[in-house]
Amino acid sequence: NAGVMQNPRHLVRRRGQEARLRCSPMKGHSHVYWYRQLPEEGLKFMVYLQKENIIDESGMPKERFSAEFPKEGPSILRIQQVVRGDSAAYFCASSPLEVAETQYFGPGTRLLVL
Amino acid sequence: AQSVTQLGSHVSVSEGALVLLRCNYSSSVPPYLFWYVQYPNQGLQLLLKYTTGATLVKGINGFEAEFKKSETSFHLTKPSAHMSDAAEYFCAVSDRNTGNQFYFGTGTSLTVIP
Repeated sequence: NAGVMQNPRHLVRRRGQEARLRCSPMKGHSHVYWYRQLPEEGLKFMVYLQKENIIDESGMPKERFSAEFPKEGPSILRIQQVVRGDSAAYFCASSPLEVAETQYFGPGTRLLVL
Repeated sequence: AQSVTQLGSHVSVSEGALVLLRCNYSSSVPPYLFWYVQYPNQGLQLLLKYTTGATLVKGINGFEAEFKKSETSFHLTKPSAHMSDAAEYFCAVSDRNTGNQFYFGTGTSLTVIP
């Protein structure tokens, strides 16, 4: 059973470009969470999605960031017009249940904005 | 909202010595409690978790943690450190009623001295 898959593992963008991060949850998991880890910090919750629904986006910046989890395909975290402060590791997690006793984390995407 | 405090951002122990990493949470209702380990440039791996039942929880790689409600603590221990234990350790909690997001501490970097 494959774990949570994220791609790309590393992404370099110039200021003003768009970044698209992909996450495929574990098989059988319909709940996806995105977290951001800034250098020297812990993970901070961004958004929680179920298929075709955003359930909780209380941790998402108000501008430039969006997330989706379509009926088919991976979950996408999209960052428009990236700035240097967006440089971070972005982790996706999935769980089979709404009240997650455990979240299973992917390897992360490390975004560097030049 | 929940909060998690990890005392000591850096801990150094000698190989073979006891490992003690501290975690305290703030919540009026005991949450679900987790310890994750992160090796350089990798994702988070679940070490152990407490949801219900026995308060002393055993995890992988010889680690264990004890939930102490009176102290709102969930400290991680290992009797004898190994070089391969060098990594970043994160304590996390989630609300057992909603469980939609995990709240992470800022992490403790463990160094093992030969």
